[in-house]
Amino acid sequence: AQTVTQSQPEMSVQEAETVTLSCTYDTSENNYYLFWYKQPPSRQMILVIRQEAYKQQNATENRFSVNFQKAAKSFSLKISDSQLGDTAMYFCAFMVDDMRFGAGTRLTVKP
Amino acid sequence: EAQVTQNPRYLITVTGKKLTVTCSQNMNHEYMSWYRQDPGLGLRQIYYSMNVEVTDKGDVPEGYKVSRKEKRNFPLILESPSPNQTSLYFCASSLGSPFSGANVLTFGAGSRLTVL
Repeated sequence: AQTVTQSQPEMSVQEAETVTLSCTYDTSENNYYLFWYKQPPSRQMILVIRQEAYKQQNATENRFSVNFQKAAKSFSLKISDSQLGDTAMYFCAFMVDDMRFGAGTRLTVKP
Repeated sequence: EAQVTQNPRYLITVTGKKLTVTCSQNMNHEYMSWYRQDPGLGLRQIYYSMNVEVTDKGDVPEGYKVSRKEKRNFPLILESPSPNQTSLYFCASSLGSPFSGANVLTFGAGSRLTVL
């Protein structure tokens, strides 16, 4: 079975600091895609970052970067210089033949 | 503006009263999908469609129906809603299939459904 696990239901960070959200997954496939989605209080699902499993280089989007460890099946999200607008639920997702989501991590950025 | 539009955004209904949540995308996407979001469970796939007239079950299809008669529309039908279908529902679409490079999902704004 293909599963996604986010072990941190809630996290908080001070504004301007760095925070890392954890995600592990389980699959026997070799080619797949990994995503982080952000869901602010508006409930809109917003793509943060995408990683292709066959690419060794970690994806980066401005203040957001990932640490992709394929052998360990780990895909963590690092948010640098946290801003109040980063407060949201963050979902890790994994896609082979369909998209599977983790349970989410609720991140609060404190002023 | 490229978008996925869901309606209604909020609905309160009673057990057994048939309802339809509409979903429409204006991006000529081939792949469309429905998810439900519940606390502690993340998003779970209900049904998906690779193209017109092609639909498949996801992880939690019981109690739901879908159709894909046109490329842009993918309605979710609850024939006889029950309280355990109270949830937040999302429609999403992507240009290509999940295992293609064009698989970034665009989500609708969500539909909050309450079944009494």
